[in-house]
Amino acid sequence: KAGVTQTPRYLIKTRGQQVTLSCSPISGHRSVSWYQQTPGQGLQFLFEYFSETQRNKGNFPGRFSGRQFSNSRSEMNVSTLELGDSALYLCASSLTGNNYGYTFGSGTRLTVV
Amino acid sequence: DAKTTQPPSMDCAEGRAANLPCNHSTISGNEYVYWYRQIHSQGPQYIIHGLKNNETNEMASLIITEDRKSSTLILPHATLRDTAVYYCIVRVLGTNAGKSTFGDGTTLTVKP
Repeated sequence: KAGVTQTPRYLIKTRGQQVTLSCSPISGHRSVSWYQQTPGQGLQFLFEYFSETQRNKGNFPGRFSGRQFSNSRSEMNVSTLELGDSALYLCASSLTGNNYGYTFGSGTRLTVV
Repeated sequence: DAKTTQPPSMDCAEGRAANLPCNHSTISGNEYVYWYRQIHSQGPQYIIHGLKNNETNEMASLIITEDRKSSTLILPHATLRDTAVYYCIVRVLGTNAGKSTFGDGTTLTVKP
């Protein structure tokens, strides 16, 4: 079966712009989590969606938002981009978000210039 | 979620067993221990998880101490392709399960 698909793979944006990243989970998975990975901060949890509802949120400013659609596909949006937002953004899906292992996508590499 | 502590780096000879330790002294009764690994420029890959019994799958074995305060991931015959960053995390059951906290992990380097 197809894995977790994230698009685009690479993205270059200018400071002040906004960006939308997409994640298609494994078919049947209802939980989608987003993470930001930077060399200095490691892998940090952004938020989790389950059945179109945000269930958990990490410690990121309000410029970071997301949503989940009825087909479980998820998008995350970052507004007013800053240089520090340059990172690898990873999406992970699981059946229910409970004790099942998460499957990660390959990520979207965002560079803000 | 409980915090985990892992050594920053380890080396292992190709073909030998790699034993990666993880401390999770504040783990609570309903938290599972999960292991993931991340090969450069890819998303983390699930390896194994367990609650209190030792677990084994085609990739690795997980040994959890009786008091559950630490665990060891064992790669029985390490290959060069096992070079990666290995993350040990603990995750509660229920609706908070998505809020996983990944530490810095252990960078395992398998050498020929």
